[in-house]
This record gives sequence, structure tokens and C-alpha cells, in this order.
Amino acid sequence: KNEVEQSPQNLTAQEGEFITINCSYSVGISALHWLQQHPGGGIVSLFMLSSGKKKHGRLIATINIQEKHSSLHITASHPRDSAVYICAAAPSGTYKYIFGTGTRLKVLA
Amino acid sequence: NAGVTQTPKFQVLKTGQSMTLQCAQDMNHEYMSWYRQDPGMGLRLIHYSVGAGITDQGEVPNGYNVSRSTTEDFPLRLLSAAPSQTSVYFCASSWNSGDTQYFGPGTRLTVL
Repeated sequence: KNEVEQSPQNLTAQEGEFITINCSYSVGISALHWLQQHPGGGIVSLFMLSSGKKKHGRLIATINIQEKHSSLHITASHPRDSAVYICAAAPSGTYKYIFGTGTRLKVLA
Repeated sequence: NAGVTQTPKFQVLKTGQSMTLQCAQDMNHEYMSWYRQDPGMGLRLIHYSVGAGITDQGEVPNGYNVSRSTTEDFPLRLLSAAPSQTSVYFCASSWNSGDTQYFGPGTRLTVL
């Protein structure tokens, strides 16, 4: 069992839909990251969370430390949101990030 | 401010050849790391560094060497390339462990 699990692996949505991507982890962490990988391959960091909730534009990320679970929400999805979304755990006391396998999102116009 | 740069973008090697993938950052970050990304798998840590002169192994270090002589540069050396090293390689940097990581554009390596 991977230490960081994401679901779903693939997701197709219609433009305007509300999207949720889930991430569960089994290690103690200092932070949980959400990354976006564009179709061209570049990776950018979206959020870094250690508690609670963060919002940036149409993106919302939440984390429940007790349940070891995080979610990434996209409101009013748009075709330009099509990308792979990756969850990464920064385990406490180490420098070794652990990555989920990613959720491939396709938003149709 | 260029961020994290990687060269080359693409490379084809024959089995047994050696090469160095270059990575540089201009943000004065202490933490740098190398990852490989393979289909169906998450990014996997190869080697990392917490400062100049300090490196350590990650999850998949075999066949790779690193050094960190300056804060800015963190090259990854393939000593004797093997087809199993065909992958996309990303370099990343951050202020510290757990902080937001900034990724380079990646190097797509094919070993024949």
C-alpha cells in the first residue's frame, strides 16, 4: 500500500462542474502539498497545507490532520483546468517528500 | 529571476554511456532534490541536498551520483546509463524541507 493514495485516478468533467480530488496519507507530516502538472509537463505548486483550509481563486484545499486526509476542490471548472493534480506529503522529521500517483483531470467544453 | 533551470531538455543515450543533468536555481534555496517520473508511478526521490556540501540518498539512488559544491547548482550524474533509467527527471528546490517546492521544466531521457 502506498503511503500517499489519491482518488480518483482519472476524472472527466463538464465545464462548470464542481470537482473534488482526494488524498489520503499514512505518515505523520509537517505539510501536505498539492501540485499541478500541465499537459506540457511543467509542475507548479498550488498549495501547502499544515492545517485547515486555503483558497486561491477557484481552487480550495482542505486538510484533516486527525483523519490524514486532504481534498482539492475546483469550483466552476474550465477546460484550462485540465491537468494532472498531484498530492505530496512532507513527512515529519525527514526531507523526503512522498508523492501520490496523480489524478488526471479532463474538463470538456 | 529564472527560478529553477534544467539542461538538457531532451537526451538520448546508449547503454553504458555517462552524462550529467544540470540543475541550477537563483532563489538561494538550501534544499534541492532530484526526482524521476515514470508512467503510472508518482515522482520518486533520487537524491537530495540540504545545503552546499551536504547530500543524501532518496528512494531510488542506485546508478546516480550527485554533488553540491555551491548553493545554486545540483548536478545529477548517470555513471553508466541503463534502459531502466529512461524517464523524465525533475529538479526542485525550496527554502527548507516541507516548504513549497519550485520545479525545473524537466529532462526527458531515453536510454537505448
